[in-house]
Amino acid sequence: DAGVIQSPRHEVTEMGQEVTLRCKPISGHNSLFWYRQTMMRGLELLIYFNNNVPIDDSGMPEDRFSAKMPNASFSTLKIQPSEPRDSAVYFCASSPRTRMDEQFFGPGTRLTVL
Amino acid sequence: AQTVTQSQPEMSVQEAETVTLSCTYDTSESNYYLFWYKQPPSRQMILVIRQEAYKQQNATENRFSVNFQKAAKSFSLKISDSQLGDTAMYFCAFGGGATNKLIFGTGTLLAVQP
Repeated sequence: DAGVIQSPRHEVTEMGQEVTLRCKPISGHNSLFWYRQTMMRGLELLIYFNNNVPIDDSGMPEDRFSAKMPNASFSTLKIQPSEPRDSAVYFCASSPRTRMDEQFFGPGTRLTVL
Repeated sequence: AQTVTQSQPEMSVQEAETVTLSCTYDTSESNYYLFWYKQPPSRQMILVIRQEAYKQQNATENRFSVNFQKAAKSFSLKISDSQLGDTAMYFCAFGGGATNKLIFGTGTLLAVQP
């Protein structure tokens, strides 16, 4: 299995631009999580989906952030417009139906907003 | 609400020695899971070990073992025969309750010295 796939691995953009991060979960997993990691705030859960449906988006910092999961094999996290304080590493993770508590992480996307 | 506390921001150990990382948590749940994740410089989040709260036996994975004290809400990680490749940030995490969200501690940076 290829594991959780994220793209791009690195993204550098300018303030005000739209940023889209992509995630492909492990095949057969039915839960998907988006996290943000910064030095100041550590690892924060932004949103998670069960069976493609958003369950909890209470961690999404503001309306500039949105996430979608159009099918079981793809999810996006969009920031529009981006700001320098959005600079962080964004992780996607997935978990299987049989062990919903066990999350497998992707390699992360390092986002830098100038 | 659940909380996870890692009181050791940094630790150092000599190669081949044993080191113990501390983690405490707070919850009113009776069924839950605890995890240790490793994040090496590559920033990939890797699941090290998993413990179900209903199991009294401490989990072990090769050189990694836990000391789970449910009454004290303590979940420490012991690394035996430390290797240079164990150098990483280690995160303790709590999962359980009505959702499959994970709550992460702030991490302990472990340096294995040659």
